[in-house]
Amino acid sequence: GAGVSQSPSNKVTEKGKDVELRCDPISGHTALYWYRQSLGQGLEFLIYFQGNSAPDKSGLPSDRFSAERTGGSVSTLTIQRTQQEDSAVYLCASSLVGGRVTDTQYFGPGTRLTVL
Amino acid sequence: GNSVTQMEGPVTLSEEAFLTINCTYTATGYPSLFWYVQYPGEGLQLLLKATKADDKGSNKGFEATYRKETTSFHLEKGSVQVSDSAVYFCALSATSGTYKYIFGTGTRLKVLA
Repeated sequence: GAGVSQSPSNKVTEKGKDVELRCDPISGHTALYWYRQSLGQGLEFLIYFQGNSAPDKSGLPSDRFSAERTGGSVSTLTIQRTQQEDSAVYLCASSLVGGRVTDTQYFGPGTRLTVL
Repeated sequence: GNSVTQMEGPVTLSEEAFLTINCTYTATGYPSLFWYVQYPGEGLQLLLKATKADDKGSNKGFEATYRKETTSFHLEKGSVQVSDSAVYFCALSATSGTYKYIFGTGTRLKVLA
């Protein structure tokens, strides 16, 4: 079936603007993760959803970042008042069940965010 | 806490050379271990995984063995091809809570014809 999809693939915005990044997980996957891939920082965990709940938001870097998931499917990551240090590739991943150490996460192609 | 350490890149090899990319980890409990590959312009793809000690993951000629005694999960391939040029990430799944992944910094491999 279809893999994880993300949109847009590229987003260029001006400092101070808000942006929304979308993730469509693999159908039937209950767990969804957001990561950020930036130069010098590697891949960082941001937030985890189990269904529509987010039991782990520990990786969100500031209160400008928020995320929601509706219907146990699509998730949106919102960054308010973007800063240049927010420039990165934002990756979404999903896994079938979540909450197991053996879970395999499947990644989307990412959204490249550039803040001017 | 949990962490993953990968060898620094870039690694440049000639075609058909033997490849080793070192990966060591620190974790409490018994994490699962993964290698992901990112080809130029593409997303992360699972290459192989191992979920318990002494397991060997393999795929596309790549292998890695989960060594608990040395806390390592080194990636190997006997004969690399130009098409293997990519960035390779070692990762572990946290052993509690949300089982999020902890990634290494990635190792860029360039294979020359």
